[in-house]
Amino acid sequence: QKEVEQNSGPLSVPEGAIASLNCTYSDRGSQSFFWYRQYSGKSPELIMFIYSNGDKEDGRFTAQLNKASQYVSLLIRDSQPSDSATYLCAVNTGGFKTIFGAGTRLFVKA
Amino acid sequence: DAGITQSPRYKITETGRQVTLMCHQTWSHSYMFWYRQDLGHGLRLIYYSAAADITDKGEVPDGYVVSRSKTENFPLTLESATRSQTSVYFCASGTATQETQYFGPGTRLLVL
Repeated sequence: QKEVEQNSGPLSVPEGAIASLNCTYSDRGSQSFFWYRQYSGKSPELIMFIYSNGDKEDGRFTAQLNKASQYVSLLIRDSQPSDSATYLCAVNTGGFKTIFGAGTRLFVKA
Repeated sequence: DAGITQSPRYKITETGRQVTLMCHQTWSHSYMFWYRQDLGHGLRLIYYSAAADITDKGEVPDGYVVSRSKTENFPLTLESATRSQTSVYFCASGTATQETQYFGPGTRLLVL
């Protein structure tokens, strides 16, 4: 059974701090990794994707991938109350089959 | 409006009834997906389709039927609804060259 694991949280950080969200996956053959943000009662929306080991930055967001450790993370710098949401880690295990983690709830306190 | 839409947005039905959830996209994406989202399980893939008339099972296909006669539509049918199928259902679409998926607004289904 291919799995994607996330800490359910909630993760609470003060406004302006760095939020660090983590994800591990079981399928070593996975090639593509995604972070989606989901506000309460809304649908998931893509924040970032990463294919290669290392860091990928986009504005306040940085995705980090370590395939040897089967670990993906998302850093949110200068966290804002509007970042409060559930963050879903997703891993493509082949073709278009994507496995989603259960998500980490993030609260950014003003 | 361009994008991906789902209907109905909310549905209450009874055990044993057949229910069809509709999904329509205007991007001409070749791939379409159905997920269900339950507390503690995240999003689980029910069925997906690579093109019109091509569908394949996902992680939790039992009790569901799909069809795709046109590229833009991908209906999901619960043949005989059960309480365990109470969930939020998301349709998504994507292109053959990208692996990102774009989600519809979701359908909240309650089976009594």
